[in-house]
Amino acid sequence: NAGVTQTPKFRVLKTGQSMTLLCAQDMNHEYMYWYRQDPGMGLRLIHYSVGEGTTAKGEVPDGYNVSRLKKQNFLLGLESAAPSQTSVYFCASSSWTRSSYNEQFFGPGTRLTVL
Amino acid sequence: AQTVTQSQPEMSVQEAETVTLSCTYDTSESDYYLFWYKQPPSRQMILVIRQEAYKQQNATENRFSVNFQKAAKSFSLKISDSQLGDAAMYFCAYRNYGGSQGNLIFGKGTKLSVKP
Repeated sequence: NAGVTQTPKFRVLKTGQSMTLLCAQDMNHEYMYWYRQDPGMGLRLIHYSVGEGTTAKGEVPDGYNVSRLKKQNFLLGLESAAPSQTSVYFCASSSWTRSSYNEQFFGPGTRLTVL
Repeated sequence: AQTVTQSQPEMSVQEAETVTLSCTYDTSESDYYLFWYKQPPSRQMILVIRQEAYKQQNATENRFSVNFQKAAKSFSLKISDSQLGDAAMYFCAYRNYGGSQGNLIFGKGTKLSVKP
């Protein structure tokens, strides 16, 4: 099993450019998440999905859009990149059982720089 | 809203010694989960240990143990017999029990250095 994979691992954009980050998981997890990590900060939730075809906003959703057309994939889009979106982006997935701690499995991260 | 606070931006420990990383949190919930994650230079997030709030017994995983004080809303991580490979960022995280969101709320992290 590959677990959670993210594409690409690194990317440099110019202000105003657009891009899509791809997250894929092969564990048949219902829940998927996008977090961003900035220096001196913990991970903060951007968007999440509780199942195929559903998405919801997290703590810092502005400037991002997401889609979950297939259960195994969760895409994060930046329509017009800004320097404030320079960050490391993590995708995570988990199963969901009400009475279980439902460990989140993280991808390796994508380092995005916006010039 | 729940918050997680790690008051030690950096810590240092001598190899083979013991170190304790602090974490406090704020919540009005009675049932929840607490976690410690390790992030080495590779950036990979690795779950170190977890604690269910309804369990009074402190969790232990080999050299890692926690001191969970529910009334004080404190959740510290103790690393015994520290090894060079323990050097990393450590994040404390909180998650509600049940609910529909399931996301983790992270502290800002503590950078642990291990001296040979």
